Amino acid sequence: DGGITQSPKYLFRKEGQNVTLSCEQNLNHDAMYWYRQDPGQGLRLIYYSQIVNDFQKGDIAEGYSVSREKKESFPLTVTSAQKNPTAFYLCASSTPGTGNEKLFFGSGTQLSVL
Amino acid sequence: GNSVTQMEGPVTLSEEAFLTINCTYTATGYPSLFWYVQYPGEGLQLLLKATKADDKGSNKGFEATYRKETTSFHLEKGSVQVSDSAVYFCALSDRAAGNKLTFGGGTRVLVKP
Repeated sequence: DGGITQSPKYLFRKEGQNVTLSCEQNLNHDAMYWYRQDPGQGLRLIYYSQIVNDFQKGDIAEGYSVSREKKESFPLTVTSAQKNPTAFYLCASSTPGTGNEKLFFGSGTQLSVL
Repeated sequence: GNSVTQMEGPVTLSEEAFLTINCTYTATGYPSLFWYVQYPGEGLQLLLKATKADDKGSNKGFEATYRKETTSFHLEKGSVQVSDSAVYFCALSDRAAGNKLTFGGGTRVLVKP
């Protein structure tokens, strides 16, 4: 079945540590996105990539980094510079030219600080 | 900039009650409007959409009408079920903003049997 797989489901970060969240899709979508979800708030865009080897900052990119070496994969690294990393992280993909009319989301990763 | 405002939750209803979730938006262009639903522990799923004024999106008994004059896209369902318990997000996509989605804060709905 086609879809988006995020792993791990739960992740714990120690102070000063970098952690990487995985996102893999087999939908053959060109565009991929990372969102952060905090309780009672809407989703906020961290980074997005419209094509392999290219990505752009979203609204809250500070303290995060990404790579897009393969079409299927868009990992997100939460660096030690992100002082408030506890949140639910959602990866999504879409086909460009659709006006982002249908984003496909993964099931998310809950990141917590120890 | 673009923004989406939703009514705050949680909204608690009894089964078979009528559900309305208000959503208003601000956009620089002519946006497409969406409702996404998030069931517990899952990612978001597209529930319905409308791409121009007066369009009505519908799916699974839910409806929303694109009202340009009031910049609104309220979600309604005539008779909710326990399985409708979820968080509902209103969103817009604006070509003037590069087609990126702007989400509202989400409204948690709890349906009790």
